[in-house]
Amino acid sequence: ELKVEQNPLFLSMQEGKNYTIYCNYSTTSDRLYWYRQDPGKSLESLFVLLSNGAVKQEGRLMASLDTKARLSTLHITAAVHDLSATYFCAVDHKTSGSRLTFGEGTQLTVNP
Amino acid sequence: DVKVTQSSRYLVKRTGEKVFLECVQDMDHENMFWYRQDPGLGLRLIYFSYDVKMKEKGDIPEGYSVSREKKERFSLILESASTNQTSMYLCATDSSGNTIYFGEGSWLTVV
Repeated sequence: ELKVEQNPLFLSMQEGKNYTIYCNYSTTSDRLYWYRQDPGKSLESLFVLLSNGAVKQEGRLMASLDTKARLSTLHITAAVHDLSATYFCAVDHKTSGSRLTFGEGTQLTVNP
Repeated sequence: DVKVTQSSRYLVKRTGEKVFLECVQDMDHENMFWYRQDPGLGLRLIYFSYDVKMKEKGDIPEGYSVSREKKERFSLILESASTNQTSMYLCATDSSGNTIYFGEGSWLTVV
């Protein structure tokens, strides 16, 4: 059974600071997704990481994937209030097409 | 842009009622999914479908069924709603597996 764990689950940080969210998963997969969710809203796709060593950046967010360590990171640089949201990682079941298992989510609050 | 439409955004139903949640996508995608989201648990897969009239159980199918009579429409059915099915339900779709698109969500309260 594929398990996906995120940490931390809650993160409160000040504007301008850097931080990393970690996503560990339990079985082999080479496709990992990061999503953002605002309160009461649906999920917005941030990144799709398709291979070992993949790194993608968009604005103040950078995601990376290490399939050997079964670890992905979402790094936040110089946080701003607009980044406050819940962030989910999700891992593709390698043998079942695009069926995803999600982490619990990291609730990020960026304080002025 | 891909559009995934969940027609019922907010529902309140009584215990034992039959509930239909509908999802329609406009991009001719083969794959469609139903998830439920609960605080602290992330999203959990209920059922999915890779083709018309085809369905597969996800991680938590108990108490649910689905129907996919047309490619663009995937319905989630609660045969006899119970209070522990109070949740937000999210429909999703994709074709290549590279990007999965989610609907806006349906908030269901069972009283």
